[in-house]
Amino acid sequence: DAGVIQSPRHEVTEMGQEVTLRCKPISGHNSLFWYRQTMMRGLELLIYFNNNVPIDDSGMPEDRFSAKMPNASFSTLKIQPSEPRDSAVYFCASRKGQGARGYTFGSGTRLTVV
Amino acid sequence: GQQVMQIPQYQHVQEGEDFTTYCNSSTTLSNIQWYKQRPGGHPVFLIQLVKSGEVKKQKRLTFQFGEAKKNSSLHITATQTTDVGTYFCAGVDGGTSYGKLTFGQGTILTVHP
Repeated sequence: DAGVIQSPRHEVTEMGQEVTLRCKPISGHNSLFWYRQTMMRGLELLIYFNNNVPIDDSGMPEDRFSAKMPNASFSTLKIQPSEPRDSAVYFCASRKGQGARGYTFGSGTRLTVV
Repeated sequence: GQQVMQIPQYQHVQEGEDFTTYCNSSTTLSNIQWYKQRPGGHPVFLIQLVKSGEVKKQKRLTFQFGEAKKNSSLHITATQTTDVGTYFCAGVDGGTSYGKLTFGQGTILTVHP
């Protein structure tokens, strides 16, 4: 099992540019989560998908952020336009089932907006 | 909304000393999970506690869930340098249908050899 795969591992972009982060969950895991981690705010849930459908997007900071899950094996998180305050590590996590089980996190994407 | 507070924020120990981190929730939890994140790494699931007063052990790690299901602790006996990292508790909000996790701020553990 390759685990949750995220790309890219690092992204440096200029303010105002569009950024797309990608995630491939573990096969068979039907729950997918996008988290953002910063020193100031810790781990924050951005959005949760179940069976490819967005269930809870209350953590998406503003309209500049959007997430899609076109199929069970792929999800994207897009920021357009990016701002320096978006700099953070973005984690994707997946879980089997809908109940309370442990999440498997990907290695994350470290985003720096200059 | 639900808040999960974790203390201490930092803990520095000598190798061989014990370590404990505490987690408190503003609301009653359906269950609680613990994760470890190595420096530069990603959170890794350690364990889940479900029952009131539950105690679970993993080698040198002991996890407890409070009787009121609002607090939890992680205790490491005789720390080793491999224990270095950030330990997070994450409370599962029983009010959501999908078991939404709210993470504490984490305790950063450093172990001096």
